[in-house]
Amino acid sequence: ETGVTQTPRHLVMGMTNKKSLKCEQHLGHNAMYWYKQSAKKPLELMFVYSLEERVENNSVPSRFSPECPNSSHLFLHLHTLQPEDSALYLCASSQRGGGAGYTFGSGTRLTVV
Amino acid sequence: QKEVEQDPGPLSVPEGAIVSLNCTYSNSAFQYFMWYRQYSRKGPELLMYTYSSGNKEDGRFTAQVDKSSKYISLFIRDSQPSDSATYLCAMGLDTGGFKTIFGAGTRLFVKA
Repeated sequence: ETGVTQTPRHLVMGMTNKKSLKCEQHLGHNAMYWYKQSAKKPLELMFVYSLEERVENNSVPSRFSPECPNSSHLFLHLHTLQPEDSALYLCASSQRGGGAGYTFGSGTRLTVV
Repeated sequence: QKEVEQDPGPLSVPEGAIVSLNCTYSNSAFQYFMWYRQYSRKGPELLMYTYSSGNKEDGRFTAQVDKSSKYISLFIRDSQPSDSATYLCAMGLDTGGFKTIFGAGTRLFVKA
């Protein structure tokens, strides 16, 4: 297992459900990220937290709501999602601004039905 | 024009072949360049990191950056079935910001 742990690994939810994705890192990194990965598309940056403050919100719909209670934990709260939101959601962490590379979790495979 | 272009493949080679994976980019200000490897049902893992132009070698892997052509490459020598994965190029500005731009990934199959 990598230094970044994501749960759950798989999630199926209806469009009216509310669920949360969890990410945890114990690498001592000070930045954490949410990325969306869809088939044959580049990774899409969703949110960035640095030292527990949100520093980037990449025009993500409000049905995605991030939370970073401390430097080791990151959540993505989901509500009233659409089928096109089905994708692999990846959490990552880094020591700086990402220029030294990210450590990714294994992702949560989300299916919206 | 996309900031980073990467051929999605798939690329299929026999075991032992030399593999060449490439990306082109449009922003001449990019300073750091990376290659990630992503196995099925896993997150990407950092494979190679280079800063500015030149070559970097690590075992069977060589990363090459040509800033004048805005072109980066990853070479895999003596390819193995265990190298079968999706390879993502990534690059960005070392300004303390948080935006690394990723390519869409090239899917590689190495046949035994």
